[in-house]
Amino acid sequence: SQTIHQWPATLVQPVGSPLSLECTVEGTSNPNLYWYRQAAGRGLQLLFYSVGIGQISSEVPQNLSASRPQDRQFILSSKKLLLSDSGFYLCAWRGSLSYTFGSGTRLTVV
Amino acid sequence: KQEVTQIPAALSVPEGENLVLNCSFTDSAIYNLQWFRQDPGKGLTSLLLIQSSQREQTSGRLNASLDKSSGRSTLYIAASQPGDSATYLCAVREPGNQFYFGTGTSLTVIP
Repeated sequence: SQTIHQWPATLVQPVGSPLSLECTVEGTSNPNLYWYRQAAGRGLQLLFYSVGIGQISSEVPQNLSASRPQDRQFILSSKKLLLSDSGFYLCAWRGSLSYTFGSGTRLTVV
Repeated sequence: KQEVTQIPAALSVPEGENLVLNCSFTDSAIYNLQWFRQDPGKGLTSLLLIQSSQREQTSGRLNASLDKSSGRSTLYIAASQPGDSATYLCAVREPGNQFYFGTGTSLTVIP
């Protein structure tokens, strides 16, 4: 069966520091992978999606970037975090019919 | 662009009540609709998936309906329990690669 792993679960980072969140998928090949963000009191916002290695589409221009170095690895990064980057970040894998989400990372920028 | 709205934003009910959560979307050309549950600080758990050709799906005490022509879906929860307290999200998938999420309904079931 397919599983999706996301870490860390929580992260507190100072403004201006770098960020790296990792997501890996098991049990499938060439998955479509997504990064979503959920700010406090708001809905899910699609940040990036990837249909294959090295293929990244950005939905919202911002302080973040994404990379797909391996087929089942999707990384969300920032060179310098802003206070507005605080939120709950979710990685997702899209199967033939539905989505499966990771457990999320709670990022607090202080 | 597809817009997904969920009403109400928050709902508080006593234990044992039946309740309905609403989801509306602006473009009826959808591929499917999915209902999720999100517990505080946790990821999303898929509850029910309705294909565009289906009218409803049931899982235990949950029943989701879809009226594509009117752009509406409802999630019916029977005999609510305190453990049902969570945020419920609906997501519409269009043909292709894109999902659109509602802002969610925060449900509190009072013992």
